[in-house]
Amino acid sequence: KQEVTQIPAALSVPEGENLVLNCSFTDSAIYNLQWFRQDPGKGLTSLLLIQSSQREQTSGRLNASLDKSSGRSTLYIAASQPGDSATYLCAGVSGGGADGLTFGKGTHLIIQP
Amino acid sequence: NAGVTQTPKFQVLKTGQSMTLQCAQDMNHEYMSWYRQDPGMGLRLIHYSVGAGITDQGEVPNGYNVSRSTTEDFPLRLLSAAPSQTSVYFCASSYSRLAGTYSTDTQYFGPGTRLTVL
Repeated sequence: KQEVTQIPAALSVPEGENLVLNCSFTDSAIYNLQWFRQDPGKGLTSLLLIQSSQREQTSGRLNASLDKSSGRSTLYIAASQPGDSATYLCAGVSGGGADGLTFGKGTHLIIQP
Repeated sequence: NAGVTQTPKFQVLKTGQSMTLQCAQDMNHEYMSWYRQDPGMGLRLIHYSVGAGITDQGEVPNGYNVSRSTTEDFPLRLLSAAPSQTSVYFCASSYSRLAGTYSTDTQYFGPGTRLTVL
């Protein structure tokens, strides 16, 4: 059964810093990995999707990488802004076991003005 | 496109009552699914569907029922509500490129339904 872990659970940094959020997964037979953002009381917004054949994806100030052999993905946020404050979730789709996304518990990010 | 819509946004039920959470998407997605989000537990898959007439169980299906009569709609039914079903429920949809039972495309989520069972 796929398990997804996110470290750290919470992070607070000053505005302007570059930062990295970590996601690890136990089953390397992963079909894709998706990063989401969730604002308080809101739904999930998809940020980036990395297919198993890809190593990274970029969108604006965000860059996500995937290393299946080590079971790790990272989300890099450049030049952080207070508007980036949210909970960031990673989730993977694996072929075995239960279908659908297996989520980590998220990293709660606060960017201090 | 409205994307994925869910109704109601909030609901309070008494133990034993039944209700249906509605989910609709206008993107012609084959794959739809329901998750519940609980503090400390993260999001967990309840049921999913790879197309009209096809549904299957996820990780936590007990106490819930689904059907998929059209591509657009995927309602979630609580048969006899229990306090343990107090949660935030999210519906999601995506294309499904493969003929299998999983999605390999971006999944889009609705705004959620916050349910309290007393």
